Amino acid sequence: ETGVTQTPRHLVMGMTNKKSLKCEQHLGHNAMYWYKQSAKKPLELMFVYSLEERVENNSVPSRFSPECPNSSHLFLHLHTLQPEDSALYLCASSQVGTVETQYFGPGTRLLVL
Amino acid sequence: AQSVTQLGSHVSVSEGALVLLRCNYSSSVPPYLFWYVQYPNQGLQLLLKYTSAATLVKGINGFEAEFKKSETSFHLTKPSAHMSDAAEYFCAVSGPNQAGTALIFGKGTTLSVSS
Repeated sequence: ETGVTQTPRHLVMGMTNKKSLKCEQHLGHNAMYWYKQSAKKPLELMFVYSLEERVENNSVPSRFSPECPNSSHLFLHLHTLQPEDSALYLCASSQVGTVETQYFGPGTRLLVL
Repeated sequence: AQSVTQLGSHVSVSEGALVLLRCNYSSSVPPYLFWYVQYPNQGLQLLLKYTSAATLVKGINGFEAEFKKSETSFHLTKPSAHMSDAAEYFCAVSGPNQAGTALIFGKGTTLSVSS
């Protein structure tokens, strides 16, 4: 595998389900990000991890819970989501200390019923 | 605070025509600027970036962008559009020396190319 991978690519869940999104980067980077992309809205930053510590949380509802066990892996745990949470969730990584070029995964398309 | 404005949510060109996608930024520090492209059902792919070196930046797929500080602009151009250029394009800004700080994206411009 190369670059940034995300699984699953598609996910359908009910509002009472619990699921997790996974992101893995194979670039040796030390910062990882979760973005939400909704139709007709700019990309919204959700979480930033730098050197495995969370450095930014843009007032995301608690039904979204990130986890970064090491510099290569990032999870987004989902529970009791709402239909308006349906979106494309993008993961990205970068190398802190350089020009912050972020490399993105293909995203997980989430539908909440 | 930094921000990005992309003028025109939708641009349509004919195959072979000039592509011009506009981006204006606001930043209190010398910015780093990026253009990303997103094809349907895919993530974002870096086209090019400006990092305070040359003001004219060349990227992949024949795209280039010029940093104009006086106009606070970073417009994306391609001399001759190809059908495969149809996609959504995002301009983004980031400040230097900000460890772990995410990019600020514009709302995106959808490029349509007709034959």
